[in-house]
Amino acid sequence: DAGITQSPRHKVTETGTPVTLRCHQTENHRYMYWYRQDPGHGLRLIHYSYGVKDTDKGEVSDGYSVSRSKTEDFLLTLESATSSQTSVYFCAITDGGGTDTQYFGPGTRLTVL
Amino acid sequence: QKEVEQNSGPLSVPEGAIASLNCTYSDRGSQSFFWYRQYSGKSPELIMSIYSNGDKEDGRFTAQLNKASQYVSLLIRDSQPSDSATYLCAAQEGQGFSFIFGKGTRLLVKP
Repeated sequence: DAGITQSPRHKVTETGTPVTLRCHQTENHRYMYWYRQDPGHGLRLIHYSYGVKDTDKGEVSDGYSVSRSKTEDFLLTLESATSSQTSVYFCAITDGGGTDTQYFGPGTRLTVL
Repeated sequence: QKEVEQNSGPLSVPEGAIASLNCTYSDRGSQSFFWYRQYSGKSPELIMSIYSNGDKEDGRFTAQLNKASQYVSLLIRDSQPSDSATYLCAAQEGQGFSFIFGKGTRLLVKP
């Protein structure tokens, strides 16, 4: 298994509060991604990073921000959580070395009340 | 809008049969394609990757790619109840570093 951990694994929060999810990898891969997965929508890209301090928006980036200060950590922040952000969040990594295979973390289940 | 389309299913097959899963993609620049399996409540796990036209076999799994038709398929031979899961098809964008996922096909293998 690729060395990817996510924390927390489960979180319940209230509307309007800030939330930060953490993805940590031990593979030294260059690319890191945040997805959300909802019934009927599949996996949708929120943000991705192609290096330290290099990030870009994905399909559903509104309401989310990211930061990557170290190769191994990619943080996803919900500045002011809303009920529509209740979802399962997956982090993924890719080495970009030719095969470009994505490996996923275990996921974080976030509930916004 | 770049898309990967899959039939949501469920696709029901008897144990021991061949399961055939299909997807189409819209980005003609895509060169890399992937099949993931996802059990309920778990994260996607990679089954196969395919980059060239034709077939690629790995054990009971065969991936097929036809770039002219923009079509990717996954065959599972000798299907087992443990193969029951949702199968996600993904294409890497032709330009850029992101991946586009289909919504998945749910497979049910009945004993």
